[in-house]
Amino acid sequence: DAMVIQNPRYQVTQFGKPVTLSCSQTLNHNVMYWYQQKSSQAPKLLFHYYDKDFNNEADTPDNFQSRRPNTSFCFLDIRSPGLGDAAMYLCATQTGGARGNEQFFGPGTRLTVL
Amino acid sequence: KNQVEQSPQSLIILEGKNCTLQCNYTVSPFSNLRWYKQDTGRGPVSLTIMTFSENTKSNGRYTATLDADTKQSSLHITASQLSDSASYICVVSQGRGSTLGRLYFGRGTQLTVWP
Repeated sequence: DAMVIQNPRYQVTQFGKPVTLSCSQTLNHNVMYWYQQKSSQAPKLLFHYYDKDFNNEADTPDNFQSRRPNTSFCFLDIRSPGLGDAAMYLCATQTGGARGNEQFFGPGTRLTVL
Repeated sequence: KNQVEQSPQSLIILEGKNCTLQCNYTVSPFSNLRWYKQDTGRGPVSLTIMTFSENTKSNGRYTATLDADTKQSSLHITASQLSDSASYICVVSQGRGSTLGRLYFGRGTQLTVWP
């Protein structure tokens, strides 16, 4: 049974053409994260939602936005993708309020920018 | 500076052999340490989580150790299988109390198991 679902698994877009990646969860977790992972590198946190509170990392480009319309869904919007934005995008969830809780990752969306 | 360093960067072993992966960290204050397995093109999957008071934890053929004094952890894989080929990522959580801890990721060790 899938717990953190990401759609699509593979996304191809053109340079400058907006794209939206989707994440949904069946765990009812408070916290949802978006990470960017480039080849052979560690995942880099872009931002996270703690319930409805949005927390942006200081070095996340303005080109990246996020929406969380409800507990289950979170979206990553890339307004004008550049070639450097090609990467794996990982969504993760966690129960908030307990620092020892595990983060559950989705399978990721591989973004290609042409 | 809060960092997580893993070694080796890559490792090739024969099926059935054992191996040990290393993780050193400087994250403070320390909350917990996690090992994840990430198959190519997939999201990370948790193997173990250890808090300050735990110095060993097993999950099947995977055994993780933690020395909080020296800030070192290891992941030992016993009787390796072809399906163990993956990247193994060490992740350290920072924080105290009930606050949501920031995670620091290592760059991973790429393990390849040959038949």
